[in-house]
Amino acid sequence: DIQMTQPPSSLSASVGDKVTITCRASQNISDYLNWYQQKPGKAPKLLIFATSHLQSGVPSRFTGSGTGTDFALTITSLQPEDFATYSCQQTYSTPETFGQGTPVDIK
Amino acid sequence: QLQLQESGPGLVKPSETLSLTCQVSGASISSGSFQWGWIRQPPGKELEWIGTMYYSGTTFKNPSLQRRISMFVDTSKNQFSLKMTSMTAADTAKYYCARLRDAMVTPGRYVRFFDFWGQGIQVTVSS
Repeated sequence: DIQMTQPPSSLSASVGDKVTITCRASQNISDYLNWYQQKPGKAPKLLIFATSHLQSGVPSRFTGSGTGTDFALTITSLQPEDFATYSCQQTYSTPETFGQGTPVDIK
Repeated sequence: QLQLQESGPGLVKPSETLSLTCQVSGASISSGSFQWGWIRQPPGKELEWIGTMYYSGTTFKNPSLQRRISMFVDTSKNQFSLKMTSMTAADTAKYYCARLRDAMVTPGRYVRFFDFWGQGIQVTVSS
């Protein structure tokens, strides 16, 4: 199975900050990488698919980048509603695995 | 707007079989080329893909779970189901149903992602 790692284990930031969340795959996954946002007690919400494609309705302050094994999700100006856990998912091969998630909390 | 809602028992005894159903509303489960799937999240751990299926019955299962799971679609009720046998404490998790969409990003190249999710149902395995 492809292992997805998201260092660091957590991230503290303030409203207005630029935040970058990273995701590393244990092998080359091309650009088959999705990002989800999850708030406590809620279902995951798709933000970005195929590394850099913004899902309909998601604010443009969210951008994705990377290829191969290293990927990033950037929030250009953190808003109060963005404090959540962010998880990456590879869909390059079965089973389609997720990272452990990066919680973004208030500094 | 598409909505998915899981239902089933919140408590299952060890060695028993879990049965979950996902009710789909807002669209027909047999329209389009979507897959319908299950994902779970044990407490404090990452999401785990369980499996997906087309309404026609073709299934794709996580190899680590494939001997224990079966998935079904009932188009007449617009719902799909998961059965997982031989439940243990390690299967305690929040179980989500979701729609898997294939999207073409460049001519001839498709990517997959879960674009609609249910709210999830907590399943605890305990005697």
